[in-house]
Amino acid sequence: EVQLVESGGGLVQPGRSLRLSCAASGFTFDDYAMHWVRQAPGKGLEWVSGISWNSGSIGYADSVKGRFTISRDNAKNSLYLQMNSLRAEDTALYYCAKEYRGMGGYDSCAFDIWGQGTMVTVSS
Amino acid sequence: QSALTQPASVSGSPGQSITISCTGTSSDVGGYNYVSWYQQHPGKAPKLMIYEVSNRPSGVSNRFSGSKSGNTASLTISGLQAEDEADYYCSSYTSSSTPYNYVFGTGTKVTVL
Repeated sequence: EVQLVESGGGLVQPGRSLRLSCAASGFTFDDYAMHWVRQAPGKGLEWVSGISWNSGSIGYADSVKGRFTISRDNAKNSLYLQMNSLRAEDTALYYCAKEYRGMGGYDSCAFDIWGQGTMVTVSS
Repeated sequence: QSALTQPASVSGSPGQSITISCTGTSSDVGGYNYVSWYQQHPGKAPKLMIYEVSNRPSGVSNRFSGSKSGNTASLTISGLQAEDEADYYCSSYTSSSTPYNYVFGTGTKVTVL
C-alpha cells in the first residue's frame, strides 16, 4: 500500500524550532520529488516547500524562506522539514505529499499521494 | 505568491453540472499548463482530481473535467452527486528561479442541494 506518514508535530513556543518527518512506503521513494503543504485551521491549502528526487533542486514559499529547510534521506525513505524561528502564523496541519508523474513520465506539478498530516501549534 | 482566486461557494442539485473557476495571472495559471485540482472532504487529506489542466489520474470519475482560458482555469463536475460535496482547491506552478514554486487557490465549498 502506498503510504505517507508524518510525525514530529506538537505545541511549540514562538521563536523555537521543530523538525517534521515523513515516512514513505509502497513506492520507489527516490524516484519522486516530494513536498510539504500546510493548512491552517479552517483555512485553505498552502504549498510550503519541495525537493527533487536527488535533493538537487529545492524550492520554498516566500512565507517560510530563510526559516524552513527541507531535506530527504532516500536510504531511509524519509522526508524532513526543519522549522526554525516559528511564528504563530505557522500554526497548521502539515502534509507530506508526493509529486505526480503523468502519462509523459515527467513531473506534473501536482500531488497524488498525501499523508494524514501532523499538527503544529505555535503559541506561548 | 498570492493565492489564486476561487468563488467561496458553488451549489447545485443532484444530476446538474457546476463549474468552479480559478483565476490567476500570466505568471501562474496563464503562463503554464500546470494547473491541478484537489477535492478535500472534512477531516481528510486532499485528493488529486485533475492535473496539467485537463488530465484525470487513473481512478478519477470522468464526471470531473478541467479546462483553461487565459488566466482562468475551470473545474466542471457533471452529473453532480451527494459524494461530490466537499472543498475544492486549484493549484498552479508559478514562475520562479527554482523548479518548485506552487500556489493554491482560495478554495471553493461545493454544496449538493
